[in-house]
This record gives sequence, structure tokens and C-alpha cells, in this order.
Amino acid sequence: SQTIHQWPATLVQPVGSPLSLECTVEGTSNPNLYWYRQAAGRGLQLLFYSVGIGQISSEVPQNLSASRPQDRQFILSSKKLLLSDSGFYLCAWSVGQSTQYFGPGTRLTVL
Amino acid sequence: KQEVTQIPAALSVPEGENLVLNCSFTDSAIYNLQWFRQDPGKGLTSLLLIQSSQREQTSGRLNASLDKSSGRSTLYIAASQPGDSATYLCAAALSGGSNYKLTFGKGTLLTVNP
Repeated sequence: SQTIHQWPATLVQPVGSPLSLECTVEGTSNPNLYWYRQAAGRGLQLLFYSVGIGQISSEVPQNLSASRPQDRQFILSSKKLLLSDSGFYLCAWSVGQSTQYFGPGTRLTVL
Repeated sequence: KQEVTQIPAALSVPEGENLVLNCSFTDSAIYNLQWFRQDPGKGLTSLLLIQSSQREQTSGRLNASLDKSSGRSTLYIAASQPGDSATYLCAAALSGGSNYKLTFGKGTLLTVNP
């Protein structure tokens, strides 16, 4: 069966510090991968998606970036965090245009 | 740009009641529509997916319908239970292929009281 992992589960970082969130998927090959952010009162916002290794599309201009170094690994990064980067970050995968399956999320607090 | 709206934002019902959650979308050219459940502090769990060519999907006590022409979907929950308490999110996929992306509503917070 397929599983999706995210770490860390929670993170508290000072403004201006770097960020690296990791997402890995097991049990499937060549999945579509997605990063979402969920902020209070704003709903779930798609940040990045990837249809293959090294192929990243950005949905929202911001100080975040994403990379896909391996088929089932998706990384969300930032060089300098802003207060507005606080939120709940969710990774998801799908096989083509089918159901998206979500990871457990990372709660990021920027102070 | 696709916009998805969910009404009501919150709903509280007694156990055993049947209920309907509403979702509307502005662009009827959707590829599919999905319903998810989110428990506090957790990720999303997929409940039902309706393809654009379908009218409804059922899973256990859940039934989701889709009316593309009116830009609406409903999630019907029969015989609600306290364990159904969660936030329910709908999401519309505007196109397939490499542009397959979901636009989410803000959700309906459901509380089922024992």
C-alpha cells in the first residue's frame, strides 16, 4: 500500500532563518506531488506541484521554493522565513488526474 | 480563475440526523470534484471523487452529487454520528493532464452532538 510521510511534524523558527520540509511517498512510482499551505481563515492554497523529477511548477509568487531530487521525494525550502510563512504545510500525491492523498502535515510557526 | 465556496461555514446537529453540505464553483469546466475530511491538526482524508461525467458517488453513509451546469456539489451524510465531527472540504479540478490542480473551498466545520 501507498504511504506518505512528512517531517518534521512541528517546527518553530525565527524570522530570517532557513527552512527545509521534506515529503516522501512509498509504494508508488512517478506520482504527481503537491505542496499546499493552510493558513487560518484562508483555506488550502496550492504552492507547488511536480509531475516528475526536476519538474516544478509554482502557483504563488513568494520566498519559498520546491525541489524534487528523487521520484518520490519532494522538498519545500526557504532561504529566509517571513512571519507570513507560518501555517500548516501539507504534501500530497496523486497518480495522474485521480484522487489526491495527503500527508500528516507540518505545523510551522515563524516568530 | 476557479473559486470554490462552501456553505455553511459551520454546522451543528444532533446525532442521527441526516445532513447536507454544499459546495459551489464558478467555472463549470471541471475535470472532477473531490470531497475530503480533515480532523483537527491532521492532514486531509479523501472521501469521494466525482468525475465530470458522473452525477453522484456513494460510499457507505456518504453520497456526493455533482451538477456541473449549476456549478454545485452536495455531500449528504446519513444518520450522522459523533465520529463524523470534522471539517469537510470540497475541491474542484479545473483541467487534467499536466495542469491537474485542485482549488479548495474553505470548508464546513461539522459538529455532531451525542
